[in-house]
Amino acid sequence: DTAVSQTPKYLVTQMGNDKSIKCEQNLGHDTMYWYKQDSKKFLKIMFSYNNKELIINETVPNRFSPKSPDKAHLNLHINSLELGDSAVYFCASSVRDRSSYEQYFGPGTRLTVT
Amino acid sequence: ILNVEQSPQSLHVQEGDSTNFTCSFPSSNFYALHWYRWETAKSPEALFVMTLNGDEKKKGRISATLNTKEGYSYLYIKGSQPEDSATYLCARFGGNEKLTFGTGTRLTIIP
Repeated sequence: DTAVSQTPKYLVTQMGNDKSIKCEQNLGHDTMYWYKQDSKKFLKIMFSYNNKELIINETVPNRFSPKSPDKAHLNLHINSLELGDSAVYFCASSVRDRSSYEQYFGPGTRLTVT
Repeated sequence: ILNVEQSPQSLHVQEGDSTNFTCSFPSSNFYALHWYRWETAKSPEALFVMTLNGDEKKKGRISATLNTKEGYSYLYIKGSQPEDSATYLCARFGGNEKLTFGTGTRLTIIP
């Protein structure tokens, strides 16, 4: 009965490779997000999709491309991985409601680029 | 204040003592203030979402207050227990539909 799930949990890969992280939520939420936790443990928004439509696109290198096949899934594809991409990536979901936007987070994917 | 700031950065509290910490945020174009609890090796979990000036919310021994005019929120923990050890994050939701997180307060309860 996992609410927000991410796969894989750990990802170790070499520079220059292309990789994807998958996220699925079964909460019936209409909005999904990708956050990056940087080396200082700071959580920063990368992307947000509402009903498969991109609504937030922060200043992220265009090597990062989110894809939302339906409102329950938001995948993150990263091309030409660099050392600086090493981080923990969290997926989250919420209801698009201006009185709340309470985030439900996935367990995170630890990406290590060598 | 331009960003979401939390203080202190870390805190050690004796078991049984009460404690509190602060979140400061830009007061303009404000919609909501969130508090999350983040245990090591887990993902953040929502504690409170507050929207109105003067809001106070409580969940067990944990409570929070909100002042939107001056841009701050306090989180209080009464009678700290070892299971309260975690990082507490606040996040401001503004008109741009995104949450801006603070860097968190890392709380360690000493048995």
